[in-house]
Amino acid sequence: AQKVTQAQTEISVVEKEDVTLDCVYETRDTTYYLFWYKQPPSGELVFLIRRNSFDEQNEISGRYSWNFQKSTSSFNFTITASQVVDSAVYFCALSDMNRDDKIIFGKGTRLHILP
Amino acid sequence: DTGVSQNPRHKITKRGQNVTFRCDPISEHNRLYWYRQTLGQGPEFLTYFQNEAQLEKSRLLSDRFSAERPKGSFSTLEIQRTEQGDSAMYLCASSYTNTEAFFGQGTRLTVV
Repeated sequence: AQKVTQAQTEISVVEKEDVTLDCVYETRDTTYYLFWYKQPPSGELVFLIRRNSFDEQNEISGRYSWNFQKSTSSFNFTITASQVVDSAVYFCALSDMNRDDKIIFGKGTRLHILP
Repeated sequence: DTGVSQNPRHKITKRGQNVTFRCDPISEHNRLYWYRQTLGQGPEFLTYFQNEAQLEKSRLLSDRFSAERPKGSFSTLEIQRTEQGDSAMYLCASSYTNTEAFFGQGTRLTVV
């Protein structure tokens, strides 16, 4: 069975601080995709990143970076120099690469960036 | 193309009524997904289409729920005899095979 665990329900940090959102996943599949989505108050899920299970290289995109570690089944997301606009709910998710059908989401981490 | 479009954005209905939601995917996306999201939870998969074929349905999708995607373009999700437990955000997403899925803004259903 596939499962995504985001242990941090809610995090608050002061603007300009760095913050890391944790994600641990479970899957029996050997090939899979991992995702992060952002859900601002407007409700729309905004795609941030997709990584495949073959590629463990860390990725950086501006203030965002992702750390994929297969050995610990983790795919953590760090925001550096956080800004108030980063306030949102962030979801980590998983899907089977071969079937490429449903995405299994975690319960999300609500991030508050305080001015 | 402005992305995945869902209508209506909000729907309030009385218990027992039928409701229908519409999703217009990004053009040329062959896959279309429906998810349901309740407060404080992540989206839960309901069903998905590849072109016009409905390929998988979650156990969450009771007999009161039906989804269609005629001609492989837009999709509709109908809920018959709505119950209070159906109150949720219904999200639609689309993708092209082996690419990431993009979500619409959702339809928020409130059953009173």
